[in-house]
Amino acid sequence: DVKVTQSSRYLVKRTGEKVFLECVQDMDHENMFWYRQDPGLGLRLIYFSYDVKMKEKGDIPEGYSVSREKKERFSLILESASTNQTSMYLCASKRSGTSRTYEQYFGPGTRLTVT
Amino acid sequence: QKEVEQNSGPLSVPEGAIASLNCTYSDRVSQSFFWYRQYSGKSPELIMSIYSNGDKEDGRFTAQLNKASQYVSLLIRDSQPSDSATYLCAVKPSDNFNKFYFGSGTKLNVKP
Repeated sequence: DVKVTQSSRYLVKRTGEKVFLECVQDMDHENMFWYRQDPGLGLRLIYFSYDVKMKEKGDIPEGYSVSREKKERFSLILESASTNQTSMYLCASKRSGTSRTYEQYFGPGTRLTVT
Repeated sequence: QKEVEQNSGPLSVPEGAIASLNCTYSDRVSQSFFWYRQYSGKSPELIMSIYSNGDKEDGRFTAQLNKASQYVSLLIRDSQPSDSATYLCAVKPSDNFNKFYFGSGTKLNVKP
């Protein structure tokens, strides 16, 4: 079974703090993703990575950066947290390739509150 | 314009009934379609995938795909209270095999 883990389930940070969210997958997947989920807006892609040290912006990258130094680990960084970044953050991983059967597997999520 | 659209609900059905969830998408040549179930406070889990026109059945779940009309649906037969969750539709576009577009989800309530 694919296992995707996230470093924290709940996190409370203050405005202006630098925040690190960590994600680890154990299935040797090439692709990893960071989403945020807000009521009524669904899942929105922040960044994804298709290989070590490679990244691509998603739909809402502003205010975020990412790091992928090892294949199994993908970090999301909030350089200076703001209250509008209060959200549920979901990490996902997926095997690379063009096969239409490859689906995304999600971690348990981190609920971040910025006060 | 949203890529994937779902009615947010809530959709309420009595226990034992058929729940019908619908999703429309804008990319005419999308090839892969997925239904995820998400319980409150939990992360999405994949329950069905479908790639060809027609129906695909798995237990109490049936996914239906109509590419000409650009919609995909999920039927849940003999609905149970444990099916109460938000159901997310996801579409893999034709121009980026790594990217998924998600709908905002339909909340389903199954009443005992």
